[in-house]
Amino acid sequence: GNSVTQMEGPVTLSEEAFLTINCTYTATGYPSLFWYVQYPGEGLQLLLKATKADDKGSNKGFEATYRKETTSFHLEKGSVQVSDSAVYFCALNQAGTALIFGKGTTLSVSS
Amino acid sequence: EAEVAQSPRYKITEKSQAVAFWCDPISGHATLYWYRQILGQGPELLVQFQDESVVDDSQLPKDRFSAERLKGVDSTLKIQPAELGDSAMYLCASSFNSLQGFNTGELFFGEGSRLTVL
Repeated sequence: GNSVTQMEGPVTLSEEAFLTINCTYTATGYPSLFWYVQYPGEGLQLLLKATKADDKGSNKGFEATYRKETTSFHLEKGSVQVSDSAVYFCALNQAGTALIFGKGTTLSVSS
Repeated sequence: EAEVAQSPRYKITEKSQAVAFWCDPISGHATLYWYRQILGQGPELLVQFQDESVVDDSQLPKDRFSAERLKGVDSTLKIQPAELGDSAMYLCASSFNSLQGFNTGELFFGEGSRLTVL
């Protein structure tokens, strides 16, 4: 069945450091890929998405590129801020089905 | 800004008791989901509704869990009897469909209901 694997955390960075959170997936066909973020005390919210191979999703300085050849959708940000501290979830879906989430990666950014 | 409403935010109960969670999705969202998130894990789907119909409840422990969305708007998730292993965050989410009728994958989540079973 479909699944998502993301790097385990926690990831601890200093402000302005470069961030990469790895995500790989297993799916039949051509899923859509997503990154969701959960800030402390808040509900999950969509950060970015990509619906087909080679698409790049971007939002709030974060980027992720849909790589079909490596079945990956790694999240990157060039310069993290303290306010980026949160739990990040990689997810996929195919038309008509619910999202399947990875286990989440906790990011902690210190000033 | 429209939000998904959930209640209660926190619930503490003893094992073997009954608990119920309520969710009111964003107006106009035909698809409603209940997910369970155990601490340190990602959300796992319990049940998916399209309007008032169940689309997927394959992971719902039907011997103790039930869910309904009678009028295709708000929804209730019930657990009876609760067990220690049910302690988790119960998340409700809703989504609109594309013009082709597909789930776009853009889910709007409520803040969740945290259940502690003692």
